[in-house]
Amino acid sequence: DVKVTQSSRYLVKRTGEKVFLECVQDMDHENMFWYRQDPGLGLRLIYFSYDVKMKEKGDIPEGYSVSREKKERFSLILESASTNQTSMYLCASSFRQTNEKLFFGSGTQLSVL
Amino acid sequence: DQQVKQNSPSLSVQEGRISILNCDYTNSMFDYFLWYKKYPAEGPTFLISISSIKDKNEDGRFTVFLNKSAKHLSLHIVPSQPGDSAVYFCAASTANAGKSTFGDGTTLTVKP
Repeated sequence: DVKVTQSSRYLVKRTGEKVFLECVQDMDHENMFWYRQDPGLGLRLIYFSYDVKMKEKGDIPEGYSVSREKKERFSLILESASTNQTSMYLCASSFRQTNEKLFFGSGTQLSVL
Repeated sequence: DQQVKQNSPSLSVQEGRISILNCDYTNSMFDYFLWYKKYPAEGPTFLISISSIKDKNEDGRFTVFLNKSAKHLSLHIVPSQPGDSAVYFCAASTANAGKSTFGDGTTLTVKP
């Protein structure tokens, strides 16, 4: 059974803290993505990666960075967390071929106080 | 500018009836469309897709229709079942971009 695993289900952090969200997939997918889901705004793409050590900005990259040192792992970093980054964060992966469906993790609900 | 829109935040239907979820897009470069279903506390899961060279794709109880001239697609679920109650996201992509743009989602409630 294919799997995308996000390290934390719930996370509570303080304003200004550095936050790491980890994602691991076991499907040997080339592409990995980070989305955030907010009520009324759907899923918005933060960053994505087509290969190890490669990254591309999505639609809302401000305040975030990413790291992909290994093919199976894609990390989202909030350098200095702010309250407007309170959200549900979803990691996804897919094969490199275009128009491939995404496989999502269960999500991390982050609260920044 | 929101390129993919789902104008109905919610939809309620009776078990056994048809559910129709709608999605509109503005970017004429989109050439592939997908529907995902999301249950609470879970990530979205792929449901069905359609290429822009087709106008219909069917998979069991689920059918997606694409009207390119109107930049509109719809998901039909027949017959609807209580287990179909979930949030449904429409997504669109272009061959070169390699990423999907999602709509806001529609919450479907199927009443027994």
